[in-house]
Amino acid sequence: DAGVIQSPRHEVTEMGQEVTLRCKPISGHNSLFWYRQTMMRGLELLIYFNNNVPIDDSGMPEDRFSAKMPNASFSTLKIQPSEPRDSAVYFCASSRSGRDTDTQYFGPGTRLTVL
Amino acid sequence: KQEVTQIPAALSVPEGENLVLNCSFTDSAIYNLQWFRQDPGKGLTSLLLIQSSQREQTSGRLNASLDKSSGRSTLYIAASQPGDSATYLCAVRSSYNNNDMRFGAGTRLTVKP
Repeated sequence: DAGVIQSPRHEVTEMGQEVTLRCKPISGHNSLFWYRQTMMRGLELLIYFNNNVPIDDSGMPEDRFSAKMPNASFSTLKIQPSEPRDSAVYFCASSRSGRDTDTQYFGPGTRLTVL
Repeated sequence: KQEVTQIPAALSVPEGENLVLNCSFTDSAIYNLQWFRQDPGKGLTSLLLIQSSQREQTSGRLNASLDKSSGRSTLYIAASQPGDSATYLCAVRSSYNNNDMRFGAGTRLTVKP
């Protein structure tokens, strides 16, 4: 399996622009997670989906952030408009539900820089 | 709210030493605890997962223990190698909501040849 795939790997944009991050989970996994990692705050859960349905988005910082999962093999995280404080590495992770197989597998991340 | 603390923040050891990384958490109502490794500029790789009913897990030179009542976990690395240099994060999953996983800030390990 190719693992969790994220694109782009790096994104540099200007303040006010729309940014869309993409994630393809591991085939057969039915839970998907979006995380943000910064030096100041560490790794934070933004939102997670189960069977394509958003379960908890309490970690989404503001209304500027939105996430969708239109099918089991694709998810997007959108920031509109972007701000310099959104600069971070954004990780997507997936897992199977169930006690014995609930290890989360992380993608390589997207490094976002907002100028 | 669950808080996860890792001490030390950074550790440097000579090759061959055995070492222990520490993780503490404030709420003992956990579903499981997981140790990850993160290399610079890369994603996280799962090392060991301990369910709440377990006391330890082993994989090769790695051994992770869990003491739920005291809110602690340790990651023991035997015979450290330069290739072990990375940041190690522990993550605790809540038993109230087992998709809510809280991460520590990590311990940055350097193993010198």
